[in-house]
Amino acid sequence: AQKVTQAQTEISVVEKEDVTLDCVYETRDTTYYLFWYKQPPSGELVFLIRRNSFDEQNEISGRYSWNFQKSTSSFNFTITASQVVDSAVYFCALSDTVAGANNLFFGTGTRLTVIP
Amino acid sequence: AAGVIQSPRHLIKEKRETATLKCYPIPRHDTVYWYQQGPGQDPQFLISFYEKMQSDKGSIPDRFSAQQFSDYHSELNMSSLELGDSALYFCASSSRDRGQYEQYFGPGTRLTVT
Repeated sequence: AQKVTQAQTEISVVEKEDVTLDCVYETRDTTYYLFWYKQPPSGELVFLIRRNSFDEQNEISGRYSWNFQKSTSSFNFTITASQVVDSAVYFCALSDTVAGANNLFFGTGTRLTVIP
Repeated sequence: AAGVIQSPRHLIKEKRETATLKCYPIPRHDTVYWYQQGPGQDPQFLISFYEKMQSDKGSIPDRFSAQQFSDYHSELNMSSLELGDSALYFCASSSRDRGQYEQYFGPGTRLTVT
């Protein structure tokens, strides 16, 4: 069965600090996809990144970076020099490819508050 | 770029009433997903459609049904509404045929059952 664990329920940082959001997943599939979504106070879910299980290369996009480590089943997300606009709930999600279905299993989310 | 459109954005219904939520996927996306997010909860998968056929089923109550139409838009029909159905309902779309598995979400429909 698929499971995504985001152990950090809430994190507060002061603006310009770096922050890492943890994500640990479980799956028996050898092919799977991992995602991060941002949910700002307005409520929409914003896609941030997708990573497939065969690509362990870390990725950087501006102030965002992701560290995928298959050995520890983790897909952590780091925001560098945080800004107030980064305040949101961040969800890590897992998608398998069983029967071609790609529904997402979400973690419980981490609420990030960036204090000015 | 065009995004997923959901209507209505807000809906207030009474217990035992019915509701219909609509979703218009991104053009050329062939797969639609429905998710339910209760207050303070993570989104839970309800059901998905690929090329107008049901693809997968999650924790969708029997009181709910959904379908995808020939123009790829989808509707989620909810009957005998209960207080616990109050939630944010998201529709997402992706392009499975093009191997684009990232799901793009609509803005959601906030359903309040009183």
